[in-house]
Amino acid sequence: QKEVEQNSGPLSVPEGAIASLNCTYSDRGSQSFFWYRQYSGKSPELIMSIYSNGDKEDGRFTAQLNKASQYVSLLIRDSQPSDSATYLCAAETGANNLFFGTGTRLTVIP
Amino acid sequence: DAGVIQSPRHEVTEMGQEVTLRCKPISGHNSLFWYRQTMMRGLELLIYFNNNVPIDDSGMPEDRFSAKMPNASFSTLKIQPSEPRDSAVYFCASSFLVAQETQYFGPGTRLLVL
Repeated sequence: QKEVEQNSGPLSVPEGAIASLNCTYSDRGSQSFFWYRQYSGKSPELIMSIYSNGDKEDGRFTAQLNKASQYVSLLIRDSQPSDSATYLCAAETGANNLFFGTGTRLTVIP
Repeated sequence: DAGVIQSPRHEVTEMGQEVTLRCKPISGHNSLFWYRQTMMRGLELLIYFNNNVPIDDSGMPEDRFSAKMPNASFSTLKIQPSEPRDSAVYFCASSFLVAQETQYFGPGTRLLVL
């Protein structure tokens, strides 16, 4: 059973703080990992992808991957109220499709 | 580009009725995915197509669900007969075949089966 697990939250952080979102996956064959953001009542949108161990930075977002520990994380620096959303972690299954976690709801408090 | 288009955006129906959800992928995309999202189970892949051909329908919950893609610009997901437990948001997404992880989602159809 391929699984991607996330803490459902809610995770609350003050504006300007660092938000840390975590995800673990069970399929060691997964090679590619993705973070999607979903605002309430809206559809998911891709914000980050990561394929290699280590960190990948894009603006205020940093994705981290540790394949040995089967662990993926997303850091959001200088969090803004507009970052308040549900963040979905996804792993590529090896069959060219994605397996999604249930998401972590983030609230950034002004 | 208009993005992925889904219709209807909302559907309320009674148990036992047939429901048809529609999707138009982004022009040029040759992979199409149908997902179902609920609070309890999150986002689940139901079926996906490559070049209009169904590749993996293992996520389709049961025979009441069927999906077709008659051409590159149109797909349907049908539930017959519908049941209250089918109530969910159904998303369609599309991508290029060579980059299936970069999926673009439609706005979704909110289905309520009474």
